[in-house]
Amino acid sequence: QVHLVQSGAEVKRPGSSVKVSCKASGGTFSTSAVTWVRQAPGQGLEWMGGIIPTSGSTRYAQIFQARVTITADESTSTSYMELRSLRSDDTAIYYCARVTAGGMGYMDVWGKGTTVTVSP
Amino acid sequence: DIQMTQSPSTLSASIGDKVTITCRASQSITNWLAWYQQRPGTAPKLLIYRASNLAGGVPSRFSGSGSGTEFTLTISGLQPDDFATYYCQQYNNFPLTFGGGTKVEVK
Repeated sequence: QVHLVQSGAEVKRPGSSVKVSCKASGGTFSTSAVTWVRQAPGQGLEWMGGIIPTSGSTRYAQIFQARVTITADESTSTSYMELRSLRSDDTAIYYCARVTAGGMGYMDVWGKGTTVTVSP
Repeated sequence: DIQMTQSPSTLSASIGDKVTITCRASQSITNWLAWYQQRPGTAPKLLIYRASNLAGGVPSRFSGSGSGTEFTLTISGLQPDDFATYYCQQYNNFPLTFGGGTKVEVK
């Protein structure tokens, strides 16, 4: 059974970048896609984008398009999400999840989340 | 973008109650809808996919229904573990979008 193991909490300064990793443990991403979802404190879930690791094909939410890059390394079954030009309102928990149906599907396996705090 | 609207935003209930949460889409999404449960401090957990299909390991007291633009999640016989926040998500179109959440709290 696949588990998604995410990297540890980060504290960043405004204007800097953060790169969060998500490794498939106990399996591979196989033909699934990986998606990234964030949750600001006390708020709901927000889809950021996703990738199909076998092809490298990506899709991003419009609001993040200019600042986010999602990549995947099939050899290590790891996906990465880099967010640039950080602002205080990027403070959130960032989740990776496995997605069915080539990325336009439901999220059946979730990582535990990575807390990113943006503070001067 | 497809907007997903959940109601109510908060619901007070007691153990054993039957609870219904509604999710409306701004346009038809056929049955490409999922429901998730999120307990405080944990990641979301898939409950229902394709509007009415129970995910593996999810108790049968959870059920989903609907198609087009209106969907419901029902919990028949609320249990202590069920006090949580519930989200719907459409996967008919990119961008994938979530409802704002429904918090089920103790009455």
